[in-house]
Amino acid sequence: EPEVTQTPSHQVTQMGQEVILRCVPISNHLYFYWYRQILGQKVEFLVSFYNNEISEKSEIFDDQFSVERPDGSNFTLKIRSTKLEDSAMYFCASKEAALYNSPLHFGNGTRLTVT
Amino acid sequence: AQKITQTQPGMFVQEKEAVTLDCTYDTSDQSYGLFWYKQPSSGEMIFLIYQGSYDEQNATEGRYSLNFQKARKSANLVISASQLGDSAMYFCAMREQGNTPLVFGKGTRLSVIA
Repeated sequence: EPEVTQTPSHQVTQMGQEVILRCVPISNHLYFYWYRQILGQKVEFLVSFYNNEISEKSEIFDDQFSVERPDGSNFTLKIRSTKLEDSAMYFCASKEAALYNSPLHFGNGTRLTVT
Repeated sequence: AQKITQTQPGMFVQEKEAVTLDCTYDTSDQSYGLFWYKQPSSGEMIFLIYQGSYDEQNATEGRYSLNFQKARKSANLVISASQLGDSAMYFCAMREQGNTPLVFGKGTRLSVIA
């Protein structure tokens, strides 16, 4: 069964450094998302992406965040200058269609640790 | 206001017994979808079941069923014949009208006891 692939599985970085989290969504999916989950807390929406542009973003997704689909397969989340509070699990997700019943398919996540 | 409320931070259930995980939601939309996801200790998010606001019957997927009570705005997940592998966090989520992002509840940690 096709799946969403995220790399790396774990990233450790120093405060102030830039990180890029990578995702390969399911190939025929059209809608892409980033969510994050601070340890022990709920899953929070960051940004959605469709047709090569951001379709919606949350308050969390401020100027230090950016997303890109550099080619036909990858979908990246860049954090420009990491802060301690950016430490979290970051999930990429994709879905096939703009239907209510179209579930999000999540990757296994990237655990980001900012020291 | 919370869109999705899961009032049970943790639940215990005996193996082979059934368990109900509660979820209430808040929306003024007429069209919406409700989802349940499982997150094992390994961290991945696994889609379990979907219920549409216009679906007349409760959704079922194997041992998972959704007790949908629209007037009460509740969408409880029922797991029958619990197995040790069901021990995980369970998240309820909602998508409102249009193509809005999924909004998640805080989750319920289910522990299945042998």
